[in-house]
Amino acid sequence: EAGVTQFPSHSVIEKGQTVTLRCDPISGHDNLYWYRRVMGKEIKFLLHFVKESKQDESGMPNNRFLAERTGGTYSTLKVQPAELEDSGVYFCASSRDLAGGTNEQFFGPGTRLTVL
Amino acid sequence: EDKVVQSPLSLVVHEGDTVTLNCSYEVTNFRSLLWYKQEKKAPTFLFMLTSSGIEKKSGRLSSILDKKELSSILNITATQTGDSAIYLCAVLRTSYGKLTFGQGTILTVHP
Repeated sequence: EAGVTQFPSHSVIEKGQTVTLRCDPISGHDNLYWYRRVMGKEIKFLLHFVKESKQDESGMPNNRFLAERTGGTYSTLKVQPAELEDSGVYFCASSRDLAGGTNEQFFGPGTRLTVL
Repeated sequence: EDKVVQSPLSLVVHEGDTVTLNCSYEVTNFRSLLWYKQEKKAPTFLFMLTSSGIEKKSGRLSSILDKKELSSILNITATQTGDSAIYLCAVLRTSYGKLTFGQGTILTVHP
């Protein structure tokens, strides 16, 4: 079974530019989560999709961040325009639906975003 | 606001040593506590603990939850250099919601 994949692995952009991160969850996982770790801090929740619907977006920092999951498969996270404080590692995770019984969240390798 | 605190933040040991990592939490409507190991990239799942006092074990790693003390420990016996990693503790409030993470414990095992 393929794991959670993320693209790109590393992105370096200038302040004011736009970046789009992509996450492909494990096949069949309805739940998809975005998290972020900024330097020196703990991993923090951004948002949660159940299929194509946003279940919880309470962790999204501001309206410069837009997440989508069209068709309930892969997800994108767009930052527009990027600011210096957006630098960090963005993780995606997925988990099974209710019938799966547990909520082990399987994480991708992360995208390291550097905003100069 | 939910809070997860791990200690120590960093630990350096030699191969063969036994280590105990701690995680304490303050969260309403607690559901489960999860441990992850992060080496280079993706955090990999170790344990999920829901019931107090039941030890989960996988090889040299074991973990237990104490709901009365709002804490959990992760034990690693006979450490190896391959155990060097960041160990992350996270708590879950609802069955399918967000994880709240601690800062992590950086474990370094020297040969």
